Amino acid sequence: EAQVTQNPRYLITVTGKKLTVTCSQNMNHEYMSWYRQDPGLGLRQIYYSMNVEVTDKGDVPEGYKVSRKEKRNFPLILESPSPNQTSLYFCASSLSTSGRETQYFGPGTRLLVL
Amino acid sequence: GQSLEQPSEVTAVEGAIVQINCTYQTSGFYGLSWYQQHDGGAPTFLSYNGLDGLEETGRFSSFLSRSDSYGYLLLQELQMKDSASYFCAVDGGDKIIFGKGTRLHILP
Repeated sequence: EAQVTQNPRYLITVTGKKLTVTCSQNMNHEYMSWYRQDPGLGLRQIYYSMNVEVTDKGDVPEGYKVSRKEKRNFPLILESPSPNQTSLYFCASSLSTSGRETQYFGPGTRLLVL
Repeated sequence: GQSLEQPSEVTAVEGAIVQINCTYQTSGFYGLSWYQQHDGGAPTFLSYNGLDGLEETGRFSSFLSRSDSYGYLLLQELQMKDSASYFCAVDGGDKIIFGKGTRLHILP
């Protein structure tokens, strides 16, 4: 089954404790991205990757890191989480950056930073 | 700057037709997509317009006017299961930019 998986689905942590949210896709997609979703603000792009070892900042990259060592995986790293990073996070993948290509979203990771 | 504007909420009656508008101002434009998101779920792709005109997919249609920087999503024969948030998204070439979403309420 074609899918994007994220782990964990729910996470409660404390300020400053490094965490990683994993994202994996099994569709051999080149384009992957991370979004955060906050009430009233829609989906805002954090980082995106057009291929292995190619990553770039989205609209809200501060406080986040990513890596793309393999095509299928695109982890999101919060080196020192802060309460303003409490949010719902989605990973997405598609064949290319073209909007014509369907973006497949993972189920989401709900993060609470205390 | 880059911006997409869509109404925050729309209410319609079951069985009726509703239109959700989207205007955009972006530095690059290759096309307009629409996504649906139910409460607690992930966004799912509905449609894409790369050229001016109407694209129809079952009960859903999407329209684009590049000269007006405007598009809309048309939902016909509304069903209760269509209650969700709908996002327009611009294909800016190297990334996709989402609007803030329109919450669709459907009354029985």
